[in-house]
Amino acid sequence: LAKTTQPISMDSYEGQEVNITCSHNNIATNDYITWYQQFPSQGPRFIIQGYKTKVTNEVASLFIPADRKSSTLSLPRVSLSDTAVYYCLVGVSDMRFGAGTRLTVKP
Amino acid sequence: NAGVTQTPKFQVLKTGQSMTLQCAQDMNHNSMYWYRQDPGMGLRLIYYSASEGTTDKGEVPNGYNVSRLNKREFSLRLESAAPSQTSVYFCASSANHRVDQPQHFGDGTRLSIL
Repeated sequence: LAKTTQPISMDSYEGQEVNITCSHNNIATNDYITWYQQFPSQGPRFIIQGYKTKVTNEVASLFIPADRKSSTLSLPRVSLSDTAVYYCLVGVSDMRFGAGTRLTVKP
Repeated sequence: NAGVTQTPKFQVLKTGQSMTLQCAQDMNHNSMYWYRQDPGMGLRLIYYSASEGTTDKGEVPNGYNVSRLNKREFSLRLESAAPSQTSVYFCASSANHRVDQPQHFGDGTRLSIL
């Protein structure tokens, strides 16, 4: 089972780009990388997923290097409303969310 | 669409009481999940049902039982509640039991056990 390691917390300011890196050294060939976002008092919501290279949607970008041992979630020009906990999941059927990264965006 | 609906939203129990948390999804998903989230912590998987008719233990199953009543509904039961089970409980569903199938979460049940 691929274990993930993320920073516990990060601070940023409005308008900055935020990059959150997830390490997953034991990722297997068939594993996908999925990120969720959780606002206070709400359940997590899916934001982006990838297998290799780069994926972009209206919320974020996900960068995955060739060795796939890490991935970086990139949030462009964050606002106060991006303050949340971000979880990285890796695997095929392992639904372990871990502690996530608590992002605080300051004015 | 309602998505994933959990009832109740809040509940206070006394130690030793029993309770069933209800979850229903209207997305025709095969897989359903129960998580708990303690203050300041991440989510931990209690039980899951990969498909109708099956249930499996997650990371922290002790003290809980589940029932996949039909494709739509997945309930979580605390037979004899303990203060350590004070937590926020989230139900989720996904098309199939795979990480690449996004999970959709309910709004949670906030459970306090005195």
